[in-house]
Amino acid sequence: EDKVVQSPLSLVVHEGDTVTLNCSYEVTNFRSLLWYKQEKKAPTFLFMLTSSGIEKKSGRLSSILDKKELSSILNITATQTGDSAIYLCAAMDSNYQLIWGAGTKLIIKP
Amino acid sequence: DADVTQTPRNRITKTGKRIMLECSQTKGHDRMYWYRQDPGLGLRLIYYSFDVKDINKGEISDGYSVSRQAQAKFSLSLESAIPNQTALYFCATSDWLAGGSEQFFGPGTRLTVL
Repeated sequence: EDKVVQSPLSLVVHEGDTVTLNCSYEVTNFRSLLWYKQEKKAPTFLFMLTSSGIEKKSGRLSSILDKKELSSILNITATQTGDSAIYLCAAMDSNYQLIWGAGTKLIIKP
Repeated sequence: DADVTQTPRNRITKTGKRIMLECSQTKGHDRMYWYRQDPGLGLRLIYYSFDVKDINKGEISDGYSVSRQAQAKFSLSLESAIPNQTALYFCATSDWLAGGSEQFFGPGTRLTVL
């Protein structure tokens, strides 16, 4: 059965800290891995990773995929209170279906 | 205006009632999805549709049905609601021509079944 596991499930840090969120997957016919941020309601897209070892960056956020280890990490540097959210990762299979992890709840304390 | 809208945004109902959740999109996307989200379980796919004539069951379709009335509209029905269907429900869309990768989510419907 396909599955995606995120760790940690929750994390509390102080503003300015750097955090690393982990995502591992076991998906038959894996196509790509996606990261989303969920604040109040709807998840919003952050990154899609298809190739191993190529880092994607957007401001203080970056992510990389390791196909050998079947995993991805999401890094956030110089965290701000606005980064507080649930971060979801999802693996896409060959049918373009997303298999979602349970999410990491990140709390940034001032 | 929001690209993906859901109605109602909140609904409280009783066990055994029939409920319909509606989703509309102005993005022109061909693919539409219904998910439910429960605390600690992430998003789980209920049904998805790649076009008006294509409806597919997802991971947890039992107790649910869907209708794709038009490319822009995809509704989810609970024929006889039960308390364990209390959850946050999301509709999402994606564009096959753009690779079908990124999914765009509606604001969600919080459903409570008493």
